[in-house]
Amino acid sequence: NAGVTQTPKFQVLKTGQSMTLQCAQDMNHNSMYWYRQDPGMGLRLIYYSASEGTTDKGEVPNGYNVSRLNKREFSLRLESAAPSQTSVYFCASNLAGGGTDTQYFGPGTRLTVL
Amino acid sequence: GENVEQHPSTLSVQEGDSAVIKCTYSDSASNYFPWYKQELGKRPQLIIDIRSNVGEKKDQRIAVTLNKTAKHFSLHITETQPEDSAVYFCAASIGTGGFKTIFGAGTRLFVKA
Repeated sequence: NAGVTQTPKFQVLKTGQSMTLQCAQDMNHNSMYWYRQDPGMGLRLIYYSASEGTTDKGEVPNGYNVSRLNKREFSLRLESAAPSQTSVYFCASNLAGGGTDTQYFGPGTRLTVL
Repeated sequence: GENVEQHPSTLSVQEGDSAVIKCTYSDSASNYFPWYKQELGKRPQLIIDIRSNVGEKKDQRIAVTLNKTAKHFSLHITETQPEDSAVYFCAASIGTGGFKTIFGAGTRLFVKA
């Protein structure tokens, strides 16, 4: 049981480049989330997927797109990276729907945009 | 929308002392309040949570209290140990599943041996 996994662990992009961050969970959770973490600002929700087939915007969705590929996988895409998107990105999941609301986080992706 | 404020931003205590971190939230509909601990370079991990129908919850050396009227909730760590040194985040969410969880900015706790 690997929990929540993310790839890659580190990435350096040039301004304007695109990339996709991958996330997968093997806990049969219904809901998945993407957060970014910046110094002194805690975790901010980018997008979430309450259940397979649905996605919704969080606090800071501009510049990002997401895909809930299936129940296990939730990807985050940066179409044209900007230096302001330099951050640590965390994927998370939880059971939702009446179960515990605890969110389980992946190990994070450290992204630098030059 | 929901806003969560967390204080202090940094807290330094002697080993064995108690540490208290306080949070306030703005949306009275919030009903789930988790606390996460994040060690340097690691992922956030839940340490304790409380729901709006409970005023206090304890788990060994950590406890959380909730005052719904004042929209305050606090984390209490007793008999602190060096391994408690980390960043602690409070959060508030609405609805089953906490689809939109709003996090505080974090408190960096240093426990001096």
